[in-house]
Amino acid sequence: DVKVTQSSRYLVKRTGEKVFLECVQDMDHENMFWYRQDPGLGLRLIYFSYDVKMKEKGDIPEGYSVSREKKERFSLILESASTNQTSMYLCASRPYSGAGNTIYFGEGSWLTVV
Amino acid sequence: DQQVKQNSPSLSVQEGRISILNCDYTNSMFDYFLWYKKYPAEGPTFLISISSIKDKNEDGRFTVFLNKSAKHLSLHIVPSQPGDSAVYFCAASGGEGAQKLVFGQGTRLTINP
Repeated sequence: DVKVTQSSRYLVKRTGEKVFLECVQDMDHENMFWYRQDPGLGLRLIYFSYDVKMKEKGDIPEGYSVSREKKERFSLILESASTNQTSMYLCASRPYSGAGNTIYFGEGSWLTVV
Repeated sequence: DQQVKQNSPSLSVQEGRISILNCDYTNSMFDYFLWYKKYPAEGPTFLISISSIKDKNEDGRFTVFLNKSAKHLSLHIVPSQPGDSAVYFCAASGGEGAQKLVFGQGTRLTINP
């Protein structure tokens, strides 16, 4: 079974803090993604990575950056957290040549910025 | 620019009946479509998919129909069970940016006993 692990399930941070969300996958997948889920807006892509050290902006990259130094790990960074970044964050991965375009999600990280 | 739309935020169905969830898309380059199911406080899990070369795909109680001319797909669940109560997301990929999945807003399905 594919395992995508998000290290922090629930976080509370103060406005202006730097926040790191970590994600690890154990299936040697090339592609990794960060989405956020908000009511009425569905899942919106923040950043994705084709492979190690490669990254591409998604639909809502403002206020975020990412790091992919190792194939199994994809980190999302909030440089200066703001209250409008309170959300559920979902990491996902997919093999480059996987069946169709199915992606596998982690359990999610609930971030509250106060 | 919402390329994938689920116009019904919620749907309520009686147990044992058919649940039909709808999804519309605007990008004619999309060639692969998926449905994900999500329980509260959990990540989405893959449910069923369909390629644009097909118009129907079935897996047990779940069937997805694709109407390319109308740019519309639907998920049928028969018979509906209480455990089916969840949020369902439609997703699509293809064309430029084929590596990405574009998701709809989600539909909350409630199965009533």
